[in-house]
Amino acid sequence: KNEVEQSPQNLTAQEGEFITINCSYSVGISALHWLQQHPGGGIVSLFMLSSGKKKHGRLIATINIQEKHSSLHITASHPRDSAVYICAGWRSGTYKYIFGTGTRLKVLA
Amino acid sequence: SQTIHQWPATLVQPVGSPLSLECTVEGTSNPNLYWYRQAAGRGLQLLFYSVGIGQISSEVPQNLSASRPQDRQFILSSKKLLLSDSGFYLCAWSQLGPRREKLFFGSGTQLSVL
Repeated sequence: KNEVEQSPQNLTAQEGEFITINCSYSVGISALHWLQQHPGGGIVSLFMLSSGKKKHGRLIATINIQEKHSSLHITASHPRDSAVYICAGWRSGTYKYIFGTGTRLKVLA
Repeated sequence: SQTIHQWPATLVQPVGSPLSLECTVEGTSNPNLYWYRQAAGRGLQLLFYSVGIGQISSEVPQNLSASRPQDRQFILSSKKLLLSDSGFYLCAWSQLGPRREKLFFGSGTQLSVL
């Protein structure tokens, strides 16, 4: 079993829909990044969370450290949001990140 | 500004040939450096990480090695490539700090071993 589980693995939405991607982890982490990977492979960090909630434009990320769970929400989704979204936890007491396997999102016009 | 450069973007190499992928970071000092491999449809697998010059930690015993000859330079190497070394390789850096906000990835190298 992966230390970090994401759901769903694949998601197809119509433009304008509200989207939620979930990330659960089974080990202690002290910070979590939500990453976006576009076709072509480049990865960018959208958020870093250690508690609570953050909002950047149409993206909202929440984390509950006690429940070991984080969510990424996209409001008013757009085809340009189509990408793979990956959660990455900074494993407590180490120099390492642990990664989910990613959620492949496709937003149709 | 802080940036990370990784090259080459694509590489096709015959089995048994050597490999050298290079990654350099700008705009920061003493970063933590990482090499990952991403297999199709799978998550990122940590290969090596480094917290300082000359300090390399290997996560997965394999045909690859890493070196950090300078503070902001990280190199992934192999003396003899295997077919199983094919994949997408990503370099990344992070900065330890109270908020650990910084995590940046290179643009990746698609390696095909034939």
